[in-house]
Amino acid sequence: DAKTTQPPSMDCAEGRAANLPCNHSTISGNEYVYWYRQIHSQGPQYIIHGLKNNETNEMASLIITEDRKSSTLILPHATLRDTAVYYCIVRDYSGNTPLVFGKGTRLSVIA
Amino acid sequence: NAGVTQTPKFQVLKTGQSMTLQCAQDMNHEYMSWYRQDPGMGLRLIHYSVGAGITDQGEVPNGYNVSRSTTEDFPLRLLSAAPSQTSVYFCASSSRQTNEKLFFGSGTQLSVL
Repeated sequence: DAKTTQPPSMDCAEGRAANLPCNHSTISGNEYVYWYRQIHSQGPQYIIHGLKNNETNEMASLIITEDRKSSTLILPHATLRDTAVYYCIVRDYSGNTPLVFGKGTRLSVIA
Repeated sequence: NAGVTQTPKFQVLKTGQSMTLQCAQDMNHEYMSWYRQDPGMGLRLIHYSVGAGITDQGEVPNGYNVSRSTTEDFPLRLLSAAPSQTSVYFCASSSRQTNEKLFFGSGTQLSVL
């Protein structure tokens, strides 16, 4: 079973920041938070990951709470092309455990 | 560098037929996995492998076999296709060393009649 809880859907106006929440209250010390997205019927695409510090890359920012029980993915200026299903996943860093996807959040960016 | 390549892209089978979905990666990744995605659903893990000669079951392994004789290839075999196996199948790989991201193939759409 997925170890994360996400809202099933969200809307965001084009050009505004999209803030996608994720609850992972049972996360353990060696588990990272990963975010992926899936646009229409394509294969999922990696966005960002983090352990406990906030992370930023060219696609998004990841804010992890101090107790690590929840996180927020931020798309700073959402575009129509960001419409997708966003998956929040926790996984240990050993590389020996699989990535288990939940149902994700369907983000609709509206013009 | 082609990444993760899946073949075929589309396949129609009759109930009871067998077939193999191919997955190959050219990034020397140790970790490979197979997922299926039913309409409107998230991805469910079928089988995975952490290296050549090592495979393990995921959430929904019944009706599928895998083997990992080389680092590059991770074929998924349907032994006796059933309509319940109609789905889109995704293969993915990652480097255990960096373990930063999973690379996905473009998927195989399978219909079992």
